[in-house]
Amino acid sequence: QVQLEESGGGVVQSGRSLRLSCGASGFTFSGYSMHWVRQAPGKGLEWVAIISHDGSQKNYAASVKGRFTISRDNSKNTLHLQMNSLRTEDTGVYYCASGIIVGATAFDFWGQGTLVTVSS
Amino acid sequence: AIQLTQSPSSLSASVGDRVTITCRASQGVSSALAWYQQKPGKAPKLLIYDASSLGNGVPSRFSGSGSGTDFTLIISSLQPEDFATYYCQQFASYPPFTFGPGTKVDIK
Repeated sequence: QVQLEESGGGVVQSGRSLRLSCGASGFTFSGYSMHWVRQAPGKGLEWVAIISHDGSQKNYAASVKGRFTISRDNSKNTLHLQMNSLRTEDTGVYYCASGIIVGATAFDFWGQGTLVTVSS
Repeated sequence: AIQLTQSPSSLSASVGDRVTITCRASQGVSSALAWYQQKPGKAPKLLIYDASSLGNGVPSRFSGSGSGTDFTLIISSLQPEDFATYYCQQFASYPPFTFGPGTKVDIK
């Protein structure tokens, strides 16, 4: 069965860096685009970044562009999010997600999320 | 960037009620719209994709309709496990893959 599992969250000071990972299993990871989505405490969902199946194309939300970098290692079935120059407003739960069965027009699989807390 | 609005932002309903949530896009998204259900402390769950296609394992009391700029999620007979927050998301034009602000459904 498809599984996505995030790791790497924690408490970090403003201005510092953190790297999130998402391990994938149960599907051909190298065949699918992958996304990061975040949710600030008590707030709605915010799409963060996408990476194409082969890592050749990447796009970001305006709020993280230039600070965050999405990457993947298809040999290890792992997705990453390198977060630099963190701000208090980056605090939240970070999910990896993808459209696998339904294709590229929805996210039908999500990880359980990892909490990032940026302190001032 | 395409903006999504949802109405209402919250509603109170009883078990067995018919519930309607709307999502409006700032420009046309064709049928590239999905709906999710999220319960506290949990990841979102896909309900509807391509505006009207039911996600895997989703009960048939959930349905979606619409195209262009106006979309609707209907729960035909609200069940206790349906009390949650519902989000729409567009896939027509990106980045970003915009989410709506959410509609919280709670118990009357």
